Formats: sequence, structure tokens, C-alpha cells
Amino acid sequence: DGGITQSPKYLFRKEGQNVTLSCEQNLNHDAMYWYRQDPGQGLRLIYYSQIVNDFQKGDIAEGYSVSREKKESFPLTVTSAQKNPTAFYLCASSSDFFQSYTFGSGTRLTVV
Amino acid sequence: QKEVEQNSGPLSVPEGAIASLNCTYSDRGSQSFFWYRQYSGKSPELIMSIYSNGDKEDGRFTAQLNKASQYVSLLIRDSQPSDSATYLCAVNSGGFKTIFGAGTRLFVKA
Repeated sequence: DGGITQSPKYLFRKEGQNVTLSCEQNLNHDAMYWYRQDPGQGLRLIYYSQIVNDFQKGDIAEGYSVSREKKESFPLTVTSAQKNPTAFYLCASSSDFFQSYTFGSGTRLTVV
Repeated sequence: QKEVEQNSGPLSVPEGAIASLNCTYSDRGSQSFFWYRQYSGKSPELIMSIYSNGDKEDGRFTAQLNKASQYVSLLIRDSQPSDSATYLCAVNSGGFKTIFGAGTRLFVKA
């Protein structure tokens, strides 16, 4: 079945540590996105990518980095520069910017 | 700043009733409109998409779009307890970014 796989489901980060969240899709979608969701709040865009080897900052990119070396993969690194990383992270993809999104199951990141 | 506004709720309706969820948006040039359902602790899933003025029906769900008034709504007929979730309105204005509202929490009482 086609879909988006995010891993891990839960992730714990120590202070000063970088962690990488995985996102893989087999939908043959060109566009991929990373969102952050805090309790009781909407989705905030971190990064997006339209094609391989190209990505753009969203509204809250500081403290995060991404890569898009393959069409299927769009990993997100939460760096130590992100001071408040505890949140629910959602990866999504779409066939183009105007179409609906398919979301992964999410990664819940907690700072310990 | 392009915005999408939703009443946060909770909206509480009895089982079998019609639930009406509303959303307004600020960008008059918006072209694509979506409703997503998000259960607690889960990721959003697409319920409906609508691109032109009027109504679009899919089973118990009806999306309504009025571009002149800049609102989009979602009606859920014969509401079930399993419909209890947060409903996210999302709007795309033709650019790279789809803007999500903060969501309306719906509670269907058995």
C-alpha cells in the first residue's frame, strides 16, 4: 500500500543533542513537507521541498535542517539550536502544491 | 498575513444530529480548500476537498464553499461518537503553502 512512513514514533532528546526524524513515501509525490504541532495548536510549517535537491524554509525553520537527496525521502534534523523542540512532528506529501496532503503517522519528540 | 480561522470549540452535538463546522479565510485568491480529521494523538487524514463554489457531498459529509463570503463549512449528518475528533480547515492560495486553521474540536454524545 502507498503511504508515508515516519520513524521513530517516539523520540527522546537530551539537551544539546541533534536528532533526525525519518520520513519516507512511496506515493511518487513530488512535494514533501515538515510540520510541527504543539498541544491545542495548528500546524506550523518548518520546511518544504518541491523537487530533489531543493528545499525551502517555512515559517519556523530556525533550529531545524532537512535534506532531499531522493524523491522518496525527506529527513528532518532537530539541532541543539532549537530551544523548545518538544512537539508532535508531521511529515506530509502531495502530488503538487495545490492538492491535498497525505500525512505520516507522526513522531512525538520529547526533551529529557 | 494569510489566515484561516476556526472556532476552537468544543462543539458538542448529540448522536444522530447534524454537526456544522465553519472556517473563514483571509486570502480572496484562495483556490483549494480541504477538511482534515485528526483524532487525539494521531495524524490528520483528508475528509473532503472542494475547489469551486457550492456544495460537495461524500457520504455523510458535505463541504460548502462560498468564495464571495470567504468561508468554507463542513456538515456531518447523522453524527456518530466515532466522529469525535478535531477538524482542521486548510486553504491553498495557489502558492507553495497550504495554511491550516487551528481546528475545531467536535464531541458527539452517545
